[in-house]
Amino acid sequence: KNEVEQSPQNLTAQEGEFITINCSYSVGISALHWLQQHPGGGIVSLFMLSSGKKKHGRLIATINIQEKHSSLHITASHPRDSAVYICAVRGGATNKLIFGTGTLLAVQP
Amino acid sequence: DTGVSQDPRHKITKRGQNVTFRCDPISEHNRLYWYRQTLGQGPEFLTYFQNEAQLEKSRLLSDRFSAERPKGSFSTLEIQRTEQGDSAMYLCASSLGLVMNNEQFFGPGTRLTVL
Repeated sequence: KNEVEQSPQNLTAQEGEFITINCSYSVGISALHWLQQHPGGGIVSLFMLSSGKKKHGRLIATINIQEKHSSLHITASHPRDSAVYICAVRGGATNKLIFGTGTLLAVQP
Repeated sequence: DTGVSQDPRHKITKRGQNVTFRCDPISEHNRLYWYRQTLGQGPEFLTYFQNEAQLEKSRLLSDRFSAERPKGSFSTLEIQRTEQGDSAMYLCASSLGLVMNNEQFFGPGTRLTVL
């Protein structure tokens, strides 16, 4: 079992839909990251969370430390949101990131 | 552009050849990470530097792999006697190491194809 699990693995949505991507982890963490990766490889950090909720534009990220679960929400989705969304956790005793396998999102016009 | 650059962006090599990749982090960042990502998977940690010291290495980093950061600025990752299984995207990230939870900034990656 992977230390970081994401669901769903693939998601197709219509433009305007509300999207939720889930992340569960099994290790103790000091922070959780949500990252976006477009075709060609570049990774962009969307959020870094250690508790509660953060919002940036149409993106919202939440984390429940007790349940070891985080969600990434996209409101009013747009085709330009199409990308791979990756959840990664930073272990308390280390600096390295442990990544989930990613969720491939396709938003259709 | 995150400010982290990697060179080359693409490398095609024949099995058995040696390859070297370079990463230039954001200039004031003292922490530098190497990750490897195979198709359809999330990245996996390879190694981590704080300044010029290599502080952690993954067991994924076989003895054919070596990484250096000689002056605490740019870093190189060398793979000797490449194998087809080495084909992957090699990602570099850097962070400012003043506090534990500083954000990592990723470079564009070097895509390696071993024929």
